[in-house]
Amino acid sequence: EPEVTQTPSHQVTQMGQEVILRCVPISNHLYFYWYRQILGQKVEFLVSFYNNEISEKSEIFDDQFSVERPDGSNFTLKIRSTKLEDSAMYFCASSEADETQYFGPGTRLLVL
Amino acid sequence: AQKVTQAQTEISVVEKEDVTLDCVYETRDTTYYLFWYKQPPSGELVFLIRRNSFDEQNEISGRYSWNFQKSTSSFNFTITASQVVDSAVYFCALTSTDSWGKFQFGAGTQVVVTP
Repeated sequence: EPEVTQTPSHQVTQMGQEVILRCVPISNHLYFYWYRQILGQKVEFLVSFYNNEISEKSEIFDDQFSVERPDGSNFTLKIRSTKLEDSAMYFCASSEADETQYFGPGTRLLVL
Repeated sequence: AQKVTQAQTEISVVEKEDVTLDCVYETRDTTYYLFWYKQPPSGELVFLIRRNSFDEQNEISGRYSWNFQKSTSSFNFTITASQVVDSAVYFCALTSTDSWGKFQFGAGTQVVVTP
């Protein structure tokens, strides 16, 4: 069964460093998303992406964040200058149409 | 504005007991989708069910059942004869025509099933 994959599973970085989180969505899906979950809290929407552009973004997704689909399979989230409060689990998701989203296993980011 | 409320923070049951998780939603849109996801201790989010706003039929899938009531804006989830493997956090989520694809998640309910 096709699934969303994410790398790395864990990432530790120093405050102020740039990180890139990678995702490979399900191959026939057209819509891509990033969410984050701070430890013990609910899952929060960051951004949605369709047809090579951002469809919608939340207030969390400020200028420090960017997304890209550099080729036909990868979907990346970049955080330019990480802050302590960026520590969270980051989930990538994809959907065939704008409905059921299938989530990857997540990348746990720790900013020191 | 959209909102999903899962008032139960944690529910503890003994194996074979039934457990019902509440989900109350708010949206001004008449077209929307509701979802349930399971997050086991390993951390991934597993899709369980989707319901659209025009389909109020209840659904049963094995030991899982869902009760959708538009009159009370609720989409409750019942696990029958719970098992230890059901121990997880369960999230209810909503998306609507106001912003398709932007899921609004509830706070989640931790279910602990003890043998």
